[in-house]
Amino acid sequence: GAVVSQHPSWVICKSGTSVKIECRSLDFQATTMFWYRQFPKQSLMLMATSNEGSKATYEQGVEKDKFLINHASLTLSTLTVTSAHPEDSSFYICSASPPSGRVPYEQYFGPGTRLTVT
Amino acid sequence: AQTVTQSQPEMSVQEAETVTLSCTYDTSESDYYLFWYKQPPSRQMILVIRQEAYKQQNATENRFSVNFQKAAKSFSLKISDSQLGDAAMYFCAYRSYGGATNKLIFGTGTLLAVQP
Repeated sequence: GAVVSQHPSWVICKSGTSVKIECRSLDFQATTMFWYRQFPKQSLMLMATSNEGSKATYEQGVEKDKFLINHASLTLSTLTVTSAHPEDSSFYICSASPPSGRVPYEQYFGPGTRLTVT
Repeated sequence: AQTVTQSQPEMSVQEAETVTLSCTYDTSESDYYLFWYKQPPSRQMILVIRQEAYKQQNATENRFSVNFQKAAKSFSLKISDSQLGDAAMYFCAYRSYGGATNKLIFGTGTLLAVQP
């Protein structure tokens, strides 16, 4: 149980284009999902908290107009990188929290998406 | 604000030996959770072990155990009988007790190498 998927696993796009990354909770409903960014050999940096049916909450320093988050259903959140530039190249990870379990709202992580902007 | 510190950027252990990874944290809260996550080269985050702060007993999961010292705000991970598959980046993380929007706060990670 508690499986989270991401699609695509790897995407290459040209500078100036937009790219959408999907995060799905496969066997549970998640009112809250989280989006992280990770640079090589560094820790996970929380970008935003995605709330079903409402606006995402962005961390300080994260451009909300550049990283658009939509949590349209209880099993799907999307991250759209708009007008991507090479510096947006990174590994993006989502997580989702089922409301029940040994630790309520424990986060389960997707496998990540590698974004390369050329 | 809560912080998590991992002071060992890299560690190395011989196969079948035991290694301890250190983690300290700072918080003014009394109820919280602590986690160790493993990130192998695939980069999939895998939960290794969790500890509820209200529990005095240290958590164990097979070859993995923790030494939770609440007063000292220390949460170390011991890996016994190390295996080649244990080679990975290990992150210590803190989460406040409560609802769905509580964030995980990660340390900077410790890269563990296992020598055959």
